[in-house]
Amino acid sequence: QKEVEQNSGPLSVPEGAIASLNCTYSDRGSQSFFWYRQYSGKSPELIMFIYSNGDKEDGRFTAQLNKASQYVSLLIRDSQPSDSATYLCAGANSKLTFGKGITLSVRP
Amino acid sequence: DAGVTQSPTHLIKTRGQHVTLRCSPISGHKSVSWYQQVLGQGPQFIFQYYEKEERGRGNFPDRFSARQFPNYSSELNVNALLLGDSALYLCASSLWGSLNEKLFFGSGTQLSVL
Repeated sequence: QKEVEQNSGPLSVPEGAIASLNCTYSDRGSQSFFWYRQYSGKSPELIMFIYSNGDKEDGRFTAQLNKASQYVSLLIRDSQPSDSATYLCAGANSKLTFGKGITLSVRP
Repeated sequence: DAGVTQSPTHLIKTRGQHVTLRCSPISGHKSVSWYQQVLGQGPQFIFQYYEKEERGRGNFPDRFSARQFPNYSSELNVNALLLGDSALYLCASSLWGSLNEKLFFGSGTQLSVL
């Protein structure tokens, strides 16, 4: 069983819209969660992390964590074409476990 | 400041051969982790080292081994290569190796096994 699931996607939104990326996890022992962005042919880079239930905002990005539902999401407001990339959700317990990623395309 | 550097960037090997991948962490970072990323999938954890000691190992066969040197650089070795070992191998460094820390990834080594 995959520990971190990212089953939706690919996702396409128009420029300026809100992009909503979702992730579920099965390991209740996971302490913290991360969203990494990976441009095609590049390495992942961290954009958000969240430890506590609720929302965490950083600029145009908001991470949401619901431990009861084992659900993590990333909202990108005012989406830009430069946000087009694959977004990887990762959960941390004894190790960092990544989902397969969601590819986001922002249409100009 | 230099980021995480990996060498080589690309490598082509044949089945049964052995390969060594190298990684230099960001200056001051004491932990190095290795990940395998197959096309279309997320990175999969292989090893973590901190202060030259293995701190974690993922679900990979014994053909995979690694070590960390006193200068905190690291090598990943893969023996008896299989076609399925073809992937992007990513090295990531962090200060203390805590799971709550930000990981800084290198550009990776693209390994092709023919």
